[in-house]
Amino acid sequence: AQTVTQSQPEMSVQEAETVTLSCTYDTSESNYYLFWYKQPPSRQMILVIRQEAYKQQNATENRFSVNFQKAAKSFSLKISDSQLGDTAMYFCAFMKHNNDMRFGAGTRLTVKP
Amino acid sequence: GAVVSQHPSRVICKSGTSVKIECRSLDFQATTMFWYRQFPKQSLMLMATSNEGSKATYEQGVEKDKFLINHASLTLSTLTVTSAHPEDSSFYICSARSPRAMNTEAFFGQGTRLTVV
Repeated sequence: AQTVTQSQPEMSVQEAETVTLSCTYDTSESNYYLFWYKQPPSRQMILVIRQEAYKQQNATENRFSVNFQKAAKSFSLKISDSQLGDTAMYFCAFMKHNNDMRFGAGTRLTVKP
Repeated sequence: GAVVSQHPSRVICKSGTSVKIECRSLDFQATTMFWYRQFPKQSLMLMATSNEGSKATYEQGVEKDKFLINHASLTLSTLTVTSAHPEDSSFYICSARSPRAMNTEAFFGQGTRLTVV
């Protein structure tokens, strides 16, 4: 079974600064996908960024980027120029191809003005 | 991106009654949908995988007679909480994979907050 571990229950960052959220996972699969989802107070799950395991290049989406270390099974999220609207729960998720998605415990990020 | 609609967004029911939650894929056909449960300040826990035209696959520890799942069409899956009790109060979220995304991404409904009184 795949497990996803987020070791930081809570994080805080000053507005405009950079923060990194950690995620590790355990799998014996070679073909899989990794995701970071944001869950604001509305509780709607919002995709932040995704990474295909077969791609060596780290994914980036504007202020969001990942550090994907496949051998170490690590998938951290870096948020640059943090904004107040980034305050939310962030979940790291793992999905095998054509399979279900499994989530880490989440990290509550607070961006302070 | 693909759109998944979940209804109702909030429901309050009396203990002992049943509640049905709908999950619809609005602009794509979803052969597989997923149902998650989320307790306050916790993660999403997979309850079951809903397959169109066949029985759902339940995760270990999830009572299939308690949480009835029906996936009768390619755009609709329903979760019925039978004989609800206060401990069933939770946030339920559905998701679906879209063929447009080569089944490599999940799209989530807005969630349903169930309160059993």
